[in-house]
Amino acid sequence: AQSVTQPDIHITVSEGASLELRCNYSYGATPYLFWYVQSPGQGLQLLLKYFSGDTLVQGIKGFEAEFKRSQSSFNLRKPSVHWSDAAEYFCAVGAVQGAQKLVFGQGTRLTINP
Amino acid sequence: ETGVTQTPRHLVMGMTNKKSLKCEQHLGHNAMYWYKQSAKKPLELMFVYNFKEQTENNSVPSRFSPECPNSSHLFLHLHTLQPEDSALYLCASSQGKGAGANVLTFGAGSRLTVL
Repeated sequence: AQSVTQPDIHITVSEGASLELRCNYSYGATPYLFWYVQSPGQGLQLLLKYFSGDTLVQGIKGFEAEFKRSQSSFNLRKPSVHWSDAAEYFCAVGAVQGAQKLVFGQGTRLTINP
Repeated sequence: ETGVTQTPRHLVMGMTNKKSLKCEQHLGHNAMYWYKQSAKKPLELMFVYNFKEQTENNSVPSRFSPECPNSSHLFLHLHTLQPEDSALYLCASSQGKGAGANVLTFGAGSRLTVL
């Protein structure tokens, strides 16, 4: 079975600074990988996904993530954060076989300092 | 109306009450899901329905009873809940098969408090 680890529970960055949120997964084959964002009182919104091909994927709101098979990682990055990026971010892994069983990490809460 | 809509957004119930959560999707998807989000815990998959048929029950207690009358509507019937069932219940939908089956669209959630 697949699993996901987000090592950082809470990260604080200054507005305009760069951001990297870490995600490590465990799965025996090439997984489907996702990043979702959740604003307070809201559901989860898909930021980006990786299925195959180019290991650097672009998402909405200026986010990107890079799949590194050798490190079993799928870290999320943004070159310059905005106050509106404050939210909780979830990494998720799905099995190519046995779809519809996304496993989510515990989430990383992002705080933006003005 | 578009996307995934959940009602009610907030619900407070006693342990002996019976209530239901409703989810409706307008995306033409064929799969629908219930997830439970508790504080400091990862999202927990509860149920999956494909083309109205239940395909996943993740060892959920019987006090939670799902119903999927068609591919656009999903209910979660609640009875004799416990305080530890207080959580945000998220509904999601996706395509029924292929890679799109992994791409979930979530509703805003129903915040449940059990007294």
